[in-house]
Amino acid sequence: NAGVTQTPKFRVLKTGQSMTLLCAQDMNHEYMYWYRQDPGMGLRLIHYSVGEGTTAKGEVPDGYNVSRLKKQNFLLGLESAAPSQTSVYFCASSLKVPAYTEAFFGQGTRLTVV
Amino acid sequence: DQQVKQNSPSLSVQEGRISILNCDYTNSMFDYFLWYKKYPAEGPTFLISISSIKDKNEDGRFTVFLNKSAKHLSLHIVPSQPGDSAVYFCAASAHRDDKIIFGKGTRLHILP
Repeated sequence: NAGVTQTPKFRVLKTGQSMTLLCAQDMNHEYMYWYRQDPGMGLRLIHYSVGEGTTAKGEVPDGYNVSRLKKQNFLLGLESAAPSQTSVYFCASSLKVPAYTEAFFGQGTRLTVV
Repeated sequence: DQQVKQNSPSLSVQEGRISILNCDYTNSMFDYFLWYKKYPAEGPTFLISISSIKDKNEDGRFTVFLNKSAKHLSLHIVPSQPGDSAVYFCAASAHRDDKIIFGKGTRLHILP
């Protein structure tokens, strides 16, 4: 049982490069989220999706784009990476409204922008 | 504007004693609260939750208390065990909202 899988697990980017982080879940969950974790800042919501074909902005959406073309996948894109986007990124999914059901997290992607 | 606040970045507790982790919130629309636990190099995992219609929820060694008037909740771990050493995140959500908001986390160290 894979749960939530994030690809890649580690990446180093140069400033200005672009990349896409992939999140895949095999639990048939409707809701998916992208968070970033920074020292002293906790988990901050970047973007989220409440179903296939939908996306919405979270607390810190600037510099990121997302797509949910398939229910099981949620992609996070960085068009022009900046050092401020150095962080650990977590994807999560939940069956329904997150307040009433637990969210399952992936193991994280550690991204360094130099 | 931080809606969920965990004002203690870290906490050290002797093994076998009680660990108390605190969380405050500012948004009066929040009506559901959750605690997640995170080990290094792993994603957070759900621990326990509480609805605003309750003031206490218990699951084994873990109990969450909610004081709505003070906009405060706490997580009690009794007795504390070495495996409880982790970062604990408090999170909150409003009814019908599509997202949950996390605090900054508290790192718990269980001392032998």
